Amino acid sequence: EVQLVESGGGLVQPGGSLKLSCAASGFTFSGSAMHWVRQASGKGLEWVGRIRSKANSYATGYAASVKGRFTISRDDSKNMAYLQMNSLKTEDTAVYYCTRRTWDDSSGYSDYWGQGTLVTVSS
Amino acid sequence: DIQMTQSPSSVSASVGDRVTITCRASQGISSWLGWYQQKPGKAPKLLIYAASSLQSGVPSRFSGSGSGTDFTLTISSLQPEDFATYYCQQANSFPLTFGGGTKVEIK
Repeated sequence: EVQLVESGGGLVQPGGSLKLSCAASGFTFSGSAMHWVRQASGKGLEWVGRIRSKANSYATGYAASVKGRFTISRDDSKNMAYLQMNSLKTEDTAVYYCTRRTWDDSSGYSDYWGQGTLVTVSS
Repeated sequence: DIQMTQSPSSVSASVGDRVTITCRASQGISSWLGWYQQKPGKAPKLLIYAASSLQSGVPSRFSGSGSGTDFTLTISSLQPEDFATYYCQQANSFPLTFGGGTKVEIK
């Protein structure tokens, strides 16, 4: 059974940092692209970024709203994906989901999602 | 960036009704479109990929169509468990973008 479990969310002050983790199981993690998607309370879904597999050089990509502040990484030996968030703003407050992509390309789809972890940026 | 526009933003329907949701892309995306269902407090669930392919385990009352810029999600006979918010997402190019969502409510 495919499982994605996010952790690391919490309350952080504006300008602060937080690192989210996504523990994956039940599939060949090393061959999969992983994406992060967020959702502010009562709002729609926003793509945050992605990391491709080793076969695709662990290439990353980000939404303009987080580029330069957020970094996605992975540890295939631990079946883990990470989202390092720096210089956090109040508008980054959201539930963050990690997702597995059906294939490692822009044309893939998120067929499995974690339960989400809440990040609140507030003073 | 490719803008995705969904309509309507909400729809009231009864069990057994046929419901159609539209998604329009600001530029052609071939068939690189997915539909997701989200229930309150839950993660989204993939229903349709590549515009018209049914994800494994999804009931056949869900169907998708379209290509280029105009797409539709149809629920042929609405069931109680289908009351949720539906999102389209283009998978043609980065950044990936979602539509604003369509909330299907009980009439």
